Amino acid sequence: ETGVTQTPRHLVMGMTNKKSLKCEQHLGHNAMYWYKQSAKKPLELMFVYNFKEQTENNSVPSRFSPECPNSSHLFLHLHTLQPEDSALYLCASSQVSQHYEQYFGPGTRLTVT
Amino acid sequence: GIQVEQSPPDLILQEGANSTLRCNFSDSVNNLQWFHQNPWGQLINLFYIPSGTKQNGRLSATTVATERYSLLYISSSQTTDSGVYFCAVAQIQGAQKLVFGQGTRLTINP
Repeated sequence: ETGVTQTPRHLVMGMTNKKSLKCEQHLGHNAMYWYKQSAKKPLELMFVYNFKEQTENNSVPSRFSPECPNSSHLFLHLHTLQPEDSALYLCASSQVSQHYEQYFGPGTRLTVT
Repeated sequence: GIQVEQSPPDLILQEGANSTLRCNFSDSVNNLQWFHQNPWGQLINLFYIPSGTKQNGRLSATTVATERYSLLYISSSQTTDSGVYFCAVAQIQGAQKLVFGQGTRLTINP
């Protein structure tokens, strides 16, 4: 499945670093999403963008800063993270329509040391 | 918010066996998706099925929206079917907010 790609696939960063996660969708969709999957918790939605505009922020700490320059690209800028932010970060995309069937990328496994 | 419960949490079977995974949800939904997460973390779309029945090869799914549950059937299991199966739902209000269950971890032994 290459419809949604994410880079890097693995990232190790210190608490004082700044890094960015990148997502690109090749499905012609116009909505993009960030999800977080921690070891002990279910997948949880972080952000939603429709037509490049943020429509949902699920009470995410400001150390996570999303950016959506166009409908095909989504970034998650990371700074001053905590060890508990270590998780699998998944990007998804969908059409803005009645049903919003979502398709996921392979994820970035982030470790904060 | 809506609650999603999946059962069983773990399932261990021999190759060739059939299995049924269940997803219960606490309110009306506009979207229900089944995913398979492989060992590398990739979520693979299996079904988009807010109601009705669908089949794709050895897999099929049924959602009874009025009774708020969905079932995923896997027949003639193969070792490559191993992984975690997730059910995710969204309501009409907040149709883009997929809420995931805890998943069912399926292990198929040769």
